[in-house]
Amino acid sequence: EAQVTQNPRYLITVTGKKLTVTCSQNMNHEYMSWYRQDPGLGLRQIYYSMNVEVTDKGDVPEGYKVSRKEKRNFPLILESPSPNQTSLYFCASSLSPRGGDTEAFFGQGTRLTVV
Amino acid sequence: ILNVEQSPQSLHVQEGDSTNFTCSFPSSNFYALHWYRWETAKSPEALFVMTLNGDEKKKGRISATLNTKEGYSYLYIKGSQPEDSATYLCAFTIRAGKSTFGDGTTLTVKP
Repeated sequence: EAQVTQNPRYLITVTGKKLTVTCSQNMNHEYMSWYRQDPGLGLRQIYYSMNVEVTDKGDVPEGYKVSRKEKRNFPLILESPSPNQTSLYFCASSLSPRGGDTEAFFGQGTRLTVV
Repeated sequence: ILNVEQSPQSLHVQEGDSTNFTCSFPSSNFYALHWYRWETAKSPEALFVMTLNGDEKKKGRISATLNTKEGYSYLYIKGSQPEDSATYLCAFTIRAGKSTFGDGTTLTVKP
């Protein structure tokens, strides 16, 4: 089954404790992206990647890191999480390396709470 | 950060009503416009990808139009059903890779 898989689905952590949210897709998509969603707001793009070893900042990259060492995986790293990073996170992928002109497939979401 | 606006913020209709929402975006540097349907506790689901001025797309009772010159897109739902209740998001891509979402329109369809 074609899918985007995120782990974990839920996470409660403490301020400053490094964490990684994994994202994997099995559709051989070129483009992958991370978003966060906060109450009353739409999705805001954190980072995106158009190919292996190619990543770029979205609108809200501060406090996050990403890597794209393999086409299928695009982990989101929070080196020192803070309470303002409490949010719902989505990973998405799409076929075209430019991302914009093909439909995106979203993971199930990760609800992160930083206390 | 670009300004992508969706209106109305929320909408309550009766089953069988037809409805439409608007997504407004900057008219310069347009690359693509996406519409998504997002149900509570689920992931956003792609409805349409629109890339050309004048594009019209249709999927069942849902359709969308695009005007890149004036910077807006309309989403129409004909004969709304309770299962259409969801938040509808639009996303504007200005160049390869970078996208900006609107805050969404939440539709509630009452039986």
